[in-house]
Amino acid sequence: DAGVIQSPRHEVTEMGQEVTLRCKPISGHNSLFWYRQTMMRGLELLIYFNNNVPIDDSGMPEDRFSAKMPNASFSTLKIQPSEPRDSAVYFCASRSGSGLGNEQFFGPGTRLTVL
Amino acid sequence: SQQGEEDPQALSIQEGENATMNCSYKTSINNLQWYRQNSGRGLVHLILIRSNEREKHSGRLRVTLDTSKKSSSLLITASRAADTASYFCATDATYALNFGKGTSLLVTP
Repeated sequence: DAGVIQSPRHEVTEMGQEVTLRCKPISGHNSLFWYRQTMMRGLELLIYFNNNVPIDDSGMPEDRFSAKMPNASFSTLKIQPSEPRDSAVYFCASRSGSGLGNEQFFGPGTRLTVL
Repeated sequence: SQQGEEDPQALSIQEGENATMNCSYKTSINNLQWYRQNSGRGLVHLILIRSNEREKHSGRLRVTLDTSKKSSSLLITASRAADTASYFCATDATYALNFGKGTSLLVTP
């Protein structure tokens, strides 16, 4: 298995533009997470899907952020409009089962820079 | 919200030395996990220790857990330059994991 796949790896955009980040979880994993990592705040959970259904989106910073999981093999995180403070590394992770005792597998991340 | 806090924030040692990182957390847990992040990469799972375990080993890694003190430690023995990375502890939350801000480890040849 190729692991969790994220695209793009790097994204540079201007303030106000729409940004879409993509994730393909590991086949067979039914839990998917989107995290954001910054120096100031560390690693923050944005949203959690289980069996393609958003279970907890309390970490989504504001309405400019939205996430979808149309099927078990694909998820997107969209920021519209983007702002400079959204600059961060965004990670997608997947896990088999819903048990917290299972490890999470992380993708390589998307480094977003909003100018 | 972050529950785990790693200490120290940064650690610099020479190859062959042991590296010890600590993690403190605030509320009761079912298990605690340690992850490693190499520069520019995603996090990689290292080891999981359950609340009823006190110590666990995996290769050169040794993890301890003291639930009475709400703390854990990660020991890397005989460190190598390739161990240079950030190390995070993660505690279980309602649905996902709460990560600390990590310890940045530098191992110099």
